Amino acid sequence: QKEVEQNSGPLSVPEGAIASLNCTYSDRGSQSFFWYRQYSGKSPELIMSIYSNGDKEDGRFTAQLNKASQYVSLLIRDSQPSDSATYLCAVIRGSGGSNYKLTFGKGTLLTVNP
Amino acid sequence: KAGVTQTPRYLIKTRGQQVTLSCSPISGHRSVSWYQQTPGQGLQFLFEYFSETQRNKGNFPGRFSGRQFSNSRSEMNVSTLELGDSALYLCASSLVLAGGTDTQYFGPGTRLTVL
Repeated sequence: QKEVEQNSGPLSVPEGAIASLNCTYSDRGSQSFFWYRQYSGKSPELIMSIYSNGDKEDGRFTAQLNKASQYVSLLIRDSQPSDSATYLCAVIRGSGGSNYKLTFGKGTLLTVNP
Repeated sequence: KAGVTQTPRYLIKTRGQQVTLSCSPISGHRSVSWYQQTPGQGLQFLFEYFSETQRNKGNFPGRFSGRQFSNSRSEMNVSTLELGDSALYLCASSLVLAGGTDTQYFGPGTRLTVL
């Protein structure tokens, strides 16, 4: 089982719709969860971080974490063509120190159609 | 505050050569991590340095090495380059907060092409 799994997509949504991106992880000891956005040819850019079960909202973005199900998701409301990018889910095992390691999923390609 | 910088941005080498990439973290950040990104494998963790010590290492051969200086700047070296080493090499820095609630910020990357 891969440590962090994402549907590679592509996920295609119309402009103004809600895009839902999903991620599962294998290590129950994982403590910190991140969503990065990566445009083609660019480096990853942090969108959201979440550490506790539940929802965390930031503008049009909502991250959801369910540690019991080992599942984290990202919702993008009112999707815009500029949201078209690859979205990477990343997980940190442990609480720092020797276990500090960011593991990425392979990413989901999102396309928002005007 | 200036972001993470990486030099050079682009590099072309031939098989068998070696290469050194440089990363300057965000001011005040003490941890520097390196990643390799390829279309087939995605983002893979190479190693992480904190206070000039390698704390974590990914599953890469010994040809990949790194170091960190007292000012937190880091370099990574790849010796005896292979065609498969062609990739985007990304550096990320972080503060290293207690409890692991930390965030890594990425530099623009170095695009390495091995011919």
